Amino acid sequence: DQQVKQNSPSLSVQEGRISILNCDYTNSMFDYFLWYKKYPAEGPTFLISISSIKDKNEDGRFTVFLNKSAKHLSLHIVPSQPGDSAVYFCAAAYQGAQKLVFGQGTRLTINP
Amino acid sequence: NAGVTQTPKFRILKIGQSMTLQCTQDMNHNYMYWYRQDPGMGLKLIYYSVGAGITDKGEVPNGYNVSRSTTEDFPLRLELAAPSQTSVYFCASSSRRAQPQHFGDGTRLSIL
Repeated sequence: DQQVKQNSPSLSVQEGRISILNCDYTNSMFDYFLWYKKYPAEGPTFLISISSIKDKNEDGRFTVFLNKSAKHLSLHIVPSQPGDSAVYFCAAAYQGAQKLVFGQGTRLTINP
Repeated sequence: NAGVTQTPKFRILKIGQSMTLQCTQDMNHNYMYWYRQDPGMGLKLIYYSVGAGITDKGEVPNGYNVSRSTTEDFPLRLELAAPSQTSVYFCASSSRRAQPQHFGDGTRLSIL
């Protein structure tokens, strides 16, 4: 049972344009969501998070939106840069849980 | 700043052999985690620990064992290696429940 789903295995975006990565979840008890970025041969690195009491969180070029009624979150990167090419994972946790549940990842490629 | 250090980076095992994947962190984090990542898949939690002497199973614990005798170290043991355990293994740590986890760079393990 895949509780956190990233339905797009890959995404290709022109440099300078907006990248939008999507993530859906099924467990309504999730109350904390994170995005991680992963380069080849490295571990994932934390990018941005959002609590369920908010619907938006911004950090520089990165914005995460949360739509609780749709059980959907998205990561917007504006403007996209070549260094943003990586695999992006969304993850979720619910209150009282000690662990994160990860999606399958989306490979983002930024084209010059 | 070392963060989370995993050794070895690569290993090839024969079926039935055993080995220990090492993980150490220098951030004084109480929470530590072991994940595996199979091609095209997200991270699956194997085991986690909320402090020295306390461990618990994740989603995919079969075939693995862990121990946590110190805050810094969280080794993962494979007793009888099987081809299905061919994967990339990541260790992570965090200061509190579901807080952003810091990952090591992974151990790529092949069972032949």
